[in-house]
Amino acid sequence: SVLTQPPSVSAAPGQEVTISCSGTRSNIGNKYVSWYQHLPGSAPKLLISDNNKRPSGIPDRFSGSKSGTSATLGISGLQTGDEADYYCATWDNSLSAIVLFGGGTKLTVL
Amino acid sequence: QVHLQQWGAGLLKPSETLSLTCAVYDRSFSGYYWSWIRQSPGKGLEWIGEINHSGGTNYNPSLYGRVIMSVDTSTKQIFLNLSSVTAADTAVYYCARGKTKLDVWGKGTAVTVSS
Repeated sequence: SVLTQPPSVSAAPGQEVTISCSGTRSNIGNKYVSWYQHLPGSAPKLLISDNNKRPSGIPDRFSGSKSGTSATLGISGLQTGDEADYYCATWDNSLSAIVLFGGGTKLTVL
Repeated sequence: QVHLQQWGAGLLKPSETLSLTCAVYDRSFSGYYWSWIRQSPGKGLEWIGEINHSGGTNYNPSLYGRVIMSVDTSTKQIFLNLSSVTAADTAVYYCARGKTKLDVWGKGTAVTVSS
């Protein structure tokens, strides 16, 4: 993937974890980043839009930030229900304005 | 409340055309882009393309020549056609509202390509 995420992260319940998403100037560097949670058997859910905005209903345990050509999703107060795949997304105007997803990060709550 | 309902054939043979429909239950249909995304077994999410209410489209270059999206504003339905499918097109296909801010998703349609 053009957007690079770690394949997996893990942490214990109650702890905090961060997931990184690395891109380039033509995508993350100049565009908003979104984050999605994908639980098995369900549709992905929007967690963060516009780098750091939480849609209604998303708890403030989830946070987003961006610096330069990288973005980060933070999850605090981990719960077993947070165990899922997480994807960053943005678009790239050097590639016919296509939407890019990161490769995904599997979060394991130990 | 916004709701997307999708359907289509779940089993195709190689070289056939995948056809999916996504019905949009949203008063603001005309104000959004509508996207298709897929997830192949064991892989991540892949953006297929997007369409607006006027029929303007943007496709993933990896699918150029095979993908066509269309829209029927009178019924608020969007359509995905993917021709000449192969086993590599086996995936769960999702329709969603938006471009990168995909805030409403359909439940997904599992499509298997097998001879």
